[in-house]
Amino acid sequence: QVQLQESGPGLVKPSETLSLTCAVSGYSISSGYYWGWIRQPPGKGLEWIGSIYHSGSTYYNPSLKSRVTISVDTSKNQFSLKLSSVTAADTAVYYCARHDLYYDSSGTVYYFDYWGQGTLVTVSS
Amino acid sequence: QSVLTQPPSASGTPGQRVTISCSGSSSNIGSNTVNWYQQLPGTAPKLLIYSNNQRPSGVPDRFSGSKSGTSASLAISGLQSEDEADYYCAAWDDSLNGHVFGTGTKVTVL
Repeated sequence: QVQLQESGPGLVKPSETLSLTCAVSGYSISSGYYWGWIRQPPGKGLEWIGSIYHSGSTYYNPSLKSRVTISVDTSKNQFSLKLSSVTAADTAVYYCARHDLYYDSSGTVYYFDYWGQGTLVTVSS
Repeated sequence: QSVLTQPPSASGTPGQRVTISCSGSSSNIGSNTVNWYQQLPGTAPKLLIYSNNQRPSGVPDRFSGSKSGTSASLAISGLQSEDEADYYCAAWDDSLNGHVFGTGTKVTVL
């Protein structure tokens, strides 16, 4: 059974960098799939932040791209998120998730099949 | 920032059929597949439907998805109290070169 677990500080000061790690168990990141981050502000909807392949190739939400870095550590079977220059608007529950991505006659097939439980990060001084 | 539009709420009595719509454009739903997620209160989203109409193992066949043009729908038949949750559609957007979620629909079982 694939399991993901987010960890990191629950409180970050404005203008600082938010750093989270997602530990994966039950599946080796090196075996494939993509690994992504999604966030959800309190009482609001879901927003995709970005994703990384086990090889290290990344792609990010254009609206966050200038502030986001996602990296992978296959030796520890984990991947990480860094979001710089945070403001109160970055307060959210942050989820890590595994997703598949392939192309067929229907177009791009992209879905998150395993999710972490989420971790609340509050940006406040 | 959501480019996929859903009705904010939907409701039904136990046993009824409820349908949730998801409206997009040619760059997302119109050219790529749609997924649906169920988020029970206080929990992480769960994949309900992928690739327009495919159910992952363990998802009851009461849930079904469809797509036509630039819109998609999720149907819940035989509504049950445990179906009370938020539901989100999602798809890849070729113009944004990113993954987008719908605005979300809260389903209430009356």
